[in-house]
Amino acid sequence: AQSVTQLDSQVPVFEEAPVELRCNYSSSVSVYLFWYVQYPNQGLQLLLKYLSGSTLVKGINGFEAEFNKSQTSFHLRKPSVHISDTAEYFCAVRMNSGYSTLTFGKGTMLLVSP
Amino acid sequence: GAVVSQHPSRVICKSGTSVKIECRSLDFQATTMFWYRQFPKQSLMLMATSNEGSKATYEQGVEKDKFLINHASLTLSTLTVTSAHPEDSSFYICSARPPTALGYGYTFGSGTRLTVV
Repeated sequence: AQSVTQLDSQVPVFEEAPVELRCNYSSSVSVYLFWYVQYPNQGLQLLLKYLSGSTLVKGINGFEAEFNKSQTSFHLRKPSVHISDTAEYFCAVRMNSGYSTLTFGKGTMLLVSP
Repeated sequence: GAVVSQHPSRVICKSGTSVKIECRSLDFQATTMFWYRQFPKQSLMLMATSNEGSKATYEQGVEKDKFLINHASLTLSTLTVTSAHPEDSSFYICSARPPTALGYGYTFGSGTRLTVV
């Protein structure tokens, strides 16, 4: 089984500042890793994913994440946030074999203020 | 590609009635769809995995008779909340597994806010 820990339930940040949202996972097998964003009363949108290869992955809206196998982490970063980035962010994992279900973290609310 | 449409986006129903939520894959065939429930300010809880042409697989603690799932075609899965009660009020989200060629990230619908009064 897999588990995901998002260490911060809420991250307040000022506009144009950098941000890092932390995600750690636990799994006895190799996994794929994902970050999703959810705006109020909407579904989830895929930001980026790590499947294999380069540990630094770039996604939409200027976000990037780095896979660190030794630390079992997949932290999400953005060098300069916008007000419009205010949303809930979910880290998720699933086994990299077959079509397994996603396991989500509890989410991190990113609050960007002027 | 890999778009999932969920309908309705909001529904209010009276206690004791049933509500059907539809999840459609618009530009791909989805042999597998997932249904989640999300409580306010919480993560997504997987309710069941829906496979086309066969019975859904429910997660532990989810009432099969309360939450009926039908996946009758490769592009449509439905979730029916039967005899709804106020405690069933929640945000329900579906997800579909796109073909491998479209990537490995599952695609989500826009969600349905169910309010039972």
